[in-house]
Amino acid sequence: GAGVSQSPRYKVAKRGQDVALRCDPISGHVSLFWYQQALGQGPEFLTYFQNEAQLDKSGLPSDRFFAERPEGSVSTLKIQRTQQEDSAVYLCASSLRSGLEILNTQYFGPGTRLTVL
Amino acid sequence: AQKVTQAQTEISVVEKEDVTLDCVYETRDTTYYLFWYKQPPSGELVFLIRRNSFDEQNEISGRYSWNFQKSTSSFNFTITASQVVDSAVYFCALSEVLNTDKLIFGTGTRLQVFP
Repeated sequence: GAGVSQSPRYKVAKRGQDVALRCDPISGHVSLFWYQQALGQGPEFLTYFQNEAQLDKSGLPSDRFFAERPEGSVSTLKIQRTQQEDSAVYLCASSLRSGLEILNTQYFGPGTRLTVL
Repeated sequence: AQKVTQAQTEISVVEKEDVTLDCVYETRDTTYYLFWYKQPPSGELVFLIRRNSFDEQNEISGRYSWNFQKSTSSFNFTITASQVVDSAVYFCALSEVLNTDKLIFGTGTRLQVFP
């Protein structure tokens, strides 16, 4: 079956531009996570959705970052007024359901590599 | 505080050697999960294994095996008879049931297997 897909795969933005990154989770997966991975580092949590509800946004680095999942499937991560420090790979992951063993394994998309010039 | 430490930044081996990747974690929760993911050069994180905090049985899957020891807060990963295709960055991660299941990753270990 289809895995998690993300688009675009690569995005180059000039400093100050707004960007929108899309994530299409595995069909039927209730939970959706966004992570940021800087070069040479492990992914870091940004935000979490259960269906359309954003239950945890503690990892968003500033109010320039905003995520939504209005219909409980596709999610968009938006970054306003991009800065050079926003350059990273943005990973999306989904799981059937969080909190329950067997169902809580997160499956990752290929990521979007954002470069801010 | 939750933390995952992968002290080995990079390991190089020759094909057919065995290699062990170390992972040490910190958590205050009694119920948690540990994971290993593989990130090949293509960039996508590939799930390898999940372990819950109540199951300390070691696991073997083909050439891969995992050793979970709560006494030392470690969850080490061994590849037997390594192959060039095993070359990748390997991440250990922790999630806590009471913390929305978000994954806390280590900094990764880059494994290079030379022919």
